[in-house]
This record gives sequence, structure tokens and C-alpha cells, in this order.
Amino acid sequence: AQSVSQHNHHVILSEAASLELGCNYSYGGTVNLFWYVQYPGQHLQLLLKYFSGDPLVKGIKGFEAEFIKSKFSFNLRKPSVQWSDTAEYFCAVKHSGAGSYQLTFGKGTKLSVIP
Amino acid sequence: DTAVSQTPKYLVTQMGNDKSIKCEQNLGHDTMYWYKQDSKKFLKIMFSYNNKELIINETVPNRFSPKSPDKAHLNLHINSLELGDSAVYFCASSLSTVDYNEQFFGPGTRLTVL
Repeated sequence: AQSVSQHNHHVILSEAASLELGCNYSYGGTVNLFWYVQYPGQHLQLLLKYFSGDPLVKGIKGFEAEFIKSKFSFNLRKPSVQWSDTAEYFCAVKHSGAGSYQLTFGKGTKLSVIP
Repeated sequence: DTAVSQTPKYLVTQMGNDKSIKCEQNLGHDTMYWYKQDSKKFLKIMFSYNNKELIINETVPNRFSPKSPDKAHLNLHINSLELGDSAVYFCASSLSTVDYNEQFFGPGTRLTVL
């Protein structure tokens, strides 16, 4: 069974600092990768996704992620965070192919941005 | 014009009761899901329906029974509620089961069992 690891449980940054959140997955085949964000008290929203092509994916709100197949990683980055980026971030993986209905989530990384 | 809606938003009930959570999507999607988010924010799939047919049924107690009356609705009924059922339950939908289709989430239902 596939699994997703997010190594940082809680990240605290000052505004304007750069962000990188780690995500590694265990499945060896072709995967589709997602980052979702959950702002306090709100539902999950998609930040970005990768399914093929350019491994550097740009998402909303200035976020990007890079798929490195050899490292089974899909790290999320933002060059300069804002207070409004304070939220919980979830990496998710879906393996590609027939019968691949299931989206497996990591345990999430809480980001706190200090003004 | 909410894409995925859930009712109620909050549900407080006693152990042993039976309760239902409703989910509706107006996106025209074929596939719907129920997730449970525990107190540590871990999200785990419970069920998935595609065109009203059950396609994912994870290891969930049979006290939980999903029902999909049509493609736009996926309700969750829980019998004999237990303390451990306290969590936030999220409904989601996607265009289909195709790999790259993102899932759209509802606002969640916070269930508290006393």
C-alpha cells in the first residue's frame, strides 16, 4: 500500500521567509501528486497538482512544487510567505492506472507565519 | 452556489445515538467520497462512490453506512455512535475516478460524541 510522509509537523516562519515543505511517497509506479491547503476553520483547497510533463508545477498564491522521481519527493515551495499563508498543508498521492481510485494523504504540516 | 455542501456543520450527540450527515455536490461530478479527519488532522478515506456504486470501502466499522440516492448526493449514516467517532468528516467529489482529477472538498462536519 502506498504511504505519504510529511516530515515537518509544525513549521514557524517570519513573513517574507522562504518556505519548503517536504513530501515523500512510497509507491514505485506512476503517480499523480497533489498539495492541498486547509486554512483555519475551512475546507481543503487544491494548491497544485502534478500528473505528467514538467516536473516543476506552479500553483495558486505563488506556490510551486517539484516532482523528483528518483527521490520519490514532491516538495512544496514558496519564495516569500505571508501571514495569510498560515494553514495546514497536506500532500496527497494517487497511483496511476486502472482501479486507482484512492487518494492517500500525508499527516499534514502546520505552517504558522509570524507577522 | 457552493460546490460541495454538507449538513450539518456541527453535530453534538450522545453515545449510542444514530445520526446522519448529508452531502451534496452541484458540480456534475460522477465520484464522491467520505473522509474522516481525526484530532491530529490526519485525513483518511472511508468510502467512495462512482455513479452511485460503491468503489472504495476502507476498514470502517459497519456502524457506518453510506448511501447515494443519486450522483449528486452521498450521505453518511452512523449507528450506535461511540466516543472514538468524534472527528471532522469531509465529503468530496471529483469529475471521475481518472487519475489526475482533483477532489473538491466540502466544509466538513464536526461530530462530537459525548
